[in-house]
Amino acid sequence: NAGVTQTPKFRVLKTGQSMTLLCAQDMNHEYMYWYRQDPGMGLRLIHYSVGEGTTAKGEVPDGYNVSRLKKQNFLLGLESAAPSQTSVYFCASSYSRARPNEQFFGPGTRLTVL
Amino acid sequence: ELKVEQNPLFLSMQEGKNYTIYCNYSTTSDRLYWYRQDPGKSLESLFVLLSNGAVKQEGRLMASLDTKARLSTLHITAAVHDLSATYFCAVDSDYNTDKLIFGTGTRLQVFP
Repeated sequence: NAGVTQTPKFRVLKTGQSMTLLCAQDMNHEYMYWYRQDPGMGLRLIHYSVGEGTTAKGEVPDGYNVSRLKKQNFLLGLESAAPSQTSVYFCASSYSRARPNEQFFGPGTRLTVL
Repeated sequence: ELKVEQNPLFLSMQEGKNYTIYCNYSTTSDRLYWYRQDPGKSLESLFVLLSNGAVKQEGRLMASLDTKARLSTLHITAAVHDLSATYFCAVDSDYNTDKLIFGTGTRLQVFP
């Protein structure tokens, strides 16, 4: 099993450009999450999904959109990138509330917006 | 609103010494998780604590949970350099939500 994978690993954007980050998991997890990690800020939840076709806002959703068209994939979109979105983005997945909500993390995507 | 606080935020310790990292949280929860993150890497699950009094041990690390005090500890015994990393605790907020709330992390450096 590959676990949680993220594409791409690195990306540099110019202000105003758009991009999509892809997260895939092969563990049949119901829940998926997108976080950003900035120095000294810990992990902050952007959006999450509790099942195929559902999404919800997290702590810092502004400037991001998400979609969960397939259970195994969770996409994070930046429509018009801003320098404040320079960060490391982590995707995570977990089973559900019925089981311990231990989250498994992908390797991360390092995004720089110039 | 659930808040999770870790202390210390930074810990520099000598090899062979013992120390404890504390994780306090502000509302009721009986599920707590510890993660490790190496520099430039992702988060790796260390411990899952699911009830009051739960204790888990792996090598030189031992985690415990006191839900009444809303406190979890991560104890390091006879530290070695390989334990140098950032450690995060995360709390399952309650049974009406589906999110973990993460602490800000404790950066541990172990020196000879």
